[in-house]
Amino acid sequence: QVQLVESGGGVVQPGRSLRLSCIASGFTFSRYGMHWVRQTPGKGLEWVAVISYDGRNKFYGDSVRGRFTISRDDSKNALYLQMDSLRSEDTAVYYCTRELYGKSNMEVWGQGATVTVSS
Amino acid sequence: EIVLTQSPATLSLSPGERATLSCRASQTINKYLAWYQQKPGQAPRLLIYDASNRATGIPARFSGSGSGTDFTLTISSLEPEDFAVYYCQQRNDWPVTFGGGSRVDLK
Repeated sequence: QVQLVESGGGVVQPGRSLRLSCIASGFTFSRYGMHWVRQTPGKGLEWVAVISYDGRNKFYGDSVRGRFTISRDDSKNALYLQMDSLRSEDTAVYYCTRELYGKSNMEVWGQGATVTVSS
Repeated sequence: EIVLTQSPATLSLSPGERATLSCRASQTINKYLAWYQQKPGQAPRLLIYDASNRATGIPARFSGSGSGTDFTLTISSLEPEDFAVYYCQQRNDWPVTFGGGSRVDLK
């Protein structure tokens, strides 16, 4: 079945880095754009970044642009989010999501990876 | 960025009743609005895309309407599993943005 599994979450100090990974299965990964979406505790959803199906186009939310980098490795069916210069406000559950084909709507979601930025 | 404002914040209803949720955009987003449902401890689930199209496997009691800046999600007759938080999301412009959510809870 279609599945996304995130890993790499944890507790990190402000200013440090962390890399999230997401492994996809059950669909042709290279055909889909992929997004990261985060959710802060008890609050709503915030879109973080997108990478196109071919990796050529990347867009970022204002709050993470210049600090986070999205990438993909189609040979491994993997999506990544490199998070640098982390801040306390980056504390959230990070979801790996697959777009609805050709549209920037999130049709498939992973279970989420928790990132806590704290000294 | 486009701001999406959802109302009401909370809707208290009983099973079998009709739920009507609103999402208003700060500028026109044409038809490019989606709705998601989220239950406690779970990831969101896509319900509706492009204002009125149900995603795969979504029951017919869920319907969406609207265009431009005003959109509505209607649940025609609430089932026990429908009590949850609902979010709208626009894809008309980057960055993609979400509304703040509307909670449907049990009266």
